[in-house]
Amino acid sequence: EIVLTQSPGTLSLSPGERATLSCRASQSVSNTYLAWYQQRPGQAPRLLIYGASSRATGIPDRFSSSGSGTDFTLTISRLEPEDFAVYYCQQYGSSPWTFGQGTKVEIK
Amino acid sequence: EVQLLESGGGLVQPGGSLRLSCAASVFTFSNYAMSWVRQAPGKGLEWVSVISGSGDTISYADSVKGRFTISRDNSKNTLHLQMSSLRADDTAVYYCARGHGSSPRSPLDDWGHGTLVTVSS
Repeated sequence: EIVLTQSPGTLSLSPGERATLSCRASQSVSNTYLAWYQQRPGQAPRLLIYGASSRATGIPDRFSSSGSGTDFTLTISRLEPEDFAVYYCQQYGSSPWTFGQGTKVEIK
Repeated sequence: EVQLLESGGGLVQPGGSLRLSCAASVFTFSNYAMSWVRQAPGKGLEWVSVISGSGDTISYADSVKGRFTISRDNSKNTLHLQMSSLRADDTAVYYCARGHGSSPRSPLDDWGHGTLVTVSS
């Protein structure tokens, strides 16, 4: 099983600042089958990024992602109030699919 | 807009069984892989199971293998999760989610609102 470790656990930032979230895999993720999700309190998760760097439909371009192999990064260029949430990475290349434990982006 | 509506959650005793359903609409159900993902209270996401669009490829998390069975009825646009030998650590909100395509190797494009399963005596 591929274990995904996200860091930091919590990121305290102000609106307008840049957020950089990390996701590290215990083994190489096949064909960049890596996705990022956002979950706001009380809501279901929402797909942000898939294939390591492709934005899902309707996702603003302030969200970007990069990486391959075992190291992946989600960047939010300028935080908007609605971006304060929990973010999860997920690999879907090797069964069982797995999620990271999440990074909470909170208002400083 | 894609609609996924979960049902079947509730309170069940340890060792008991429960069957979850997910009614899908506004898309061609058989063209998409479907997954179940759960979230224990206050915890992160845990992938549970996936089934391909045709139903011929299935995979499970180790934590539920042998206890849970995923299935789909493409004629009724419905996804199911049969859960047995339930344990306290199965307590969670269970989400139904649609894959990006028919292959199980798909990110999860759309999610239902979830149904709560509580395992307790």
